[in-house]
Amino acid sequence: GAVVSQHPSRVICKSGTSVKIECRSLDFQATTMFWYRQFPKQSLMLMATSNEGSKATYEQGVEKDKFLINHASLTLSTLTVTSAHPEDSSFYICSAKRAEGATGELFFGEGSRLTVL
Amino acid sequence: QKEVEQNSGPLSVPEGAIASLNCTYSDRGSQSFFWYRQYSGKSPELIMFIYSNGDKEDGRFTAQLNKASQYVSLLIRDSQPSDSATYLCAVLRTTDSWGKLQFGAGTQVVVTP
Repeated sequence: GAVVSQHPSRVICKSGTSVKIECRSLDFQATTMFWYRQFPKQSLMLMATSNEGSKATYEQGVEKDKFLINHASLTLSTLTVTSAHPEDSSFYICSAKRAEGATGELFFGEGSRLTVL
Repeated sequence: QKEVEQNSGPLSVPEGAIASLNCTYSDRGSQSFFWYRQYSGKSPELIMFIYSNGDKEDGRFTAQLNKASQYVSLLIRDSQPSDSATYLCAVLRTTDSWGKLQFGAGTQVVVTP
């Protein structure tokens, strides 16, 4: 299957700092990437849809100024959590849609566990 | 009403038995259905997807889709302890052109030796 790499896998930061998470499709071009957040024992909550070369589309309730998404190339999308606070501590997961893949078939990164102190 | 509903479990299954997981969805126009497996602390991995009514088999896994009743199920035959995980049902709505999936909360499966 297709490989999606996410980095860092774990990050601990102080409250008020910003954290950048990278999502890379290693062996395919990803026209669309998705960013999810998952709290313990809950399902994935879609935060935003990232399309190469255009602005991200955010889900209702997600602050676009706090969660900055950049999809600069067909293989890289980044999520920056700005001015992080303890309530932002979560498991962040990206997924990528392969251009030639089956509709809806997504490949997930390994996830990034963010802990804000 | 949640768009995609699953029984949270845990579903306890003896090793070697069949695990049966169910998922219902609210959007009658949904067109594609996916099952993902997620181990604790890990990201989801795709098991299989199904588009058409009926059964689709892949190894020990069988997905069943009934669009009229708006449910999709997953059967795991000859369950192994390594199958212990949370299984996420995901649905692609017809109104969504970006391939954006709606996920259920997941069913935890515990296979006991």
